[in-house]
Amino acid sequence: DSGVTQTPKHLITATGQRVTLRCSPRSGDLSVYWYQQSLDQGLQFLIHYYNGEERAKGNILERFSAQQFPDLHSELNLSSLELGDSALYFCASSARGDFIPGELFFGEGSRLTVL
Amino acid sequence: QKEVEQDPGPLSVPEGAIVSLNCTYSNSAFQYFMWYRQYSRKGPELLMYTYSSGNKEDGRFTAQVDKSSKYISLFIRDSQPSDSATYLCAMSAGGADGLTFGKGTHLIIQP
Repeated sequence: DSGVTQTPKHLITATGQRVTLRCSPRSGDLSVYWYQQSLDQGLQFLIHYYNGEERAKGNILERFSAQQFPDLHSELNLSSLELGDSALYFCASSARGDFIPGELFFGEGSRLTVL
Repeated sequence: QKEVEQDPGPLSVPEGAIVSLNCTYSNSAFQYFMWYRQYSRKGPELLMYTYSSGNKEDGRFTAQVDKSSKYISLFIRDSQPSDSATYLCAMSAGGADGLTFGKGTHLIIQP
């Protein structure tokens, strides 16, 4: 158990809908990263928040947005969903704002299916 | 061309064999090189990491980085059925950006 909690574990929805995925980082961690894993693209970095502020942006679509709250949990909002958004969404947390190997921990993921 | 290339496999070998997994990359700025293991429907877990070029050994696992060739490898000795998983290489230039992953190699160790 990495200590990173993601909910929901599974989600099935329809095209055009909007969903919110939630991540609680490990106790004491200030950074939250979001990744998308699909069969086509593999594991891709979406966005990084540190202590409530956006720190870095990766391949995140405009239909997607994220935020980190004062209690440090983070939410990833996916809107106008398309079939191609079906994927595993992972959250990872670390204590610092810059990458340190060995200090990044992944959650178990949220599996999104868009029908 | 993707920044990180990794053969997706599957790679099937008998128990006890030496396994060689590798990735190539194009971004010269990468300094940290990681290998993650991912079991089905689970999150990636870090196996090993290397900073810059060189070798690193941890039990049955050896990681190698050749920055001049932009090529990294993971060797697994005395492979076990429990090593069956997807192995992902990942790289970072440091800083705030997320990791850049290969697509992963699905490894099957046959008892």
